[in-house]
Amino acid sequence: ELKVEQNPLFLSMQEGKNYTIYCNYSTTSDRLYWYRQDPGKSLESLFVLLSNGAVKQEGRLMASLDTKARLSTLHITAAVHDLSATYFCAVENTGTASKLTFGTGTRLQVTL
Amino acid sequence: DTEVTQTPKHLVMGMTNKKSLKCEQHMGHRAMYWYKQKAKKPPELMFVYSYEKLSINESVPSRFSPECPNSSLLNLHLHALQPEDSALYLCASSQTIRGLDGYTFGSGTRLTVV
Repeated sequence: ELKVEQNPLFLSMQEGKNYTIYCNYSTTSDRLYWYRQDPGKSLESLFVLLSNGAVKQEGRLMASLDTKARLSTLHITAAVHDLSATYFCAVENTGTASKLTFGTGTRLQVTL
Repeated sequence: DTEVTQTPKHLVMGMTNKKSLKCEQHMGHRAMYWYKQKAKKPPELMFVYSYEKLSINESVPSRFSPECPNSSLLNLHLHALQPEDSALYLCASSQTIRGLDGYTFGSGTRLTVV
């Protein structure tokens, strides 16, 4: 059974600082997704990582995928308050029918 | 149109009621999904439809009954629910069952069972 773990579960950081969220998964997969969720809202797609070594950047967020290590990272550069949200990674099981298994989530709080 | 539309946004129902959740997309996506998300937890997959056929049922209790009448529409029929079924129900779609272009999520239906 695929297990997806994120750490940390909760992250409080000051504006302007850098930090990295880690996503580890237990079985082979070459597709990983990052989502943002604001309280009471739906999931907003941030990144789709489809191959080993994939790196994508959007604004202050950068995501990478290492399929050999079964690890993805979401790096936050010079955090701003607007980035406060819960971030989920999700790994796709590639079988006869694909499905997403979500990580535990990281609640990010950026303080002034 | 790049959206997945879910109705209603909020639903309160009694344990003896029958209600339905509706999900619609007009992106030509051929795979559609139902997820359940409890507070402060990650979403959990319930059902996958591919080309209007049920591909995955994650051992969901029969009081939840999915239906895919056509390629644009996905319903979730609810009957005799329990208070612990209260959650945010998310619908998603992807171009095929392998989400190369990602998965698009709807805004969700917040369900409260009383």
